[in-house]
Amino acid sequence: DAKTTQPTSMDCAEGRAANLPCNHSTISGNEYVYWYRQIHSQGPQYIIHGLKNNETNEMASLIITEDRKSSTLILPHATLRDTAVYYCIVRPNFGNEKLTFGTGTRLTIIP
Amino acid sequence: DTEVTQTPKHLVMGMTNKKSLKCEQHMGHRAMYWYKQKAKKPPELMFVYSYEKLSINESVPSRFSPECPNSSLLNLHLHALQPEDSALYLCASSAPGQGYQPQHFGDGTRLSIL
Repeated sequence: DAKTTQPTSMDCAEGRAANLPCNHSTISGNEYVYWYRQIHSQGPQYIIHGLKNNETNEMASLIITEDRKSSTLILPHATLRDTAVYYCIVRPNFGNEKLTFGTGTRLTIIP
Repeated sequence: DTEVTQTPKHLVMGMTNKKSLKCEQHMGHRAMYWYKQKAKKPPELMFVYSYEKLSINESVPSRFSPECPNSSLLNLHLHALQPEDSALYLCASSAPGQGYQPQHFGDGTRLSIL
């Protein structure tokens, strides 16, 4: 699996958009970008994934650069419940198997 | 509320004890996983079961013994653990099918080895 680089921590004001960056400069053509988050004392939760087009669901938006070397997860209106560690993962889009978590970004939403 | 249920939530055991962690899901998922998470570290994959058969063992010591008795249940049998095995043990499951199927995680069992 390709490696990812994320900032260790970030703060965001409640109600503002939280933009979490991820670098994956060695991503290969068949690898997708996935985002999970882990709220304290809970298991990880899937957020979104994408290949090259921007993706949006009820939780977040994923913006992937044209060269696919980086991406940004956007939480449009952050709430206190969005405080969590956010993991960016790249892997092929087949198989229900290995998921390798990096160190992630600890996002703190400030009231 | 999580759809993957893990019991117990907390477990304290001595190094000579034998105990089991249990995981249950009723979503019809046919892939199930065990992860280990040390404090302030990301989860690390231990085992993967696909259609009740062990498909991945990430070189886990034999003192950890997984079992998948049916498509809804996953156990992790523990024996002669070491203090460094103290961690949060997470279970996950995912649906069959082509393309990526998100993994659904339970909230884990926090294990302490005395």
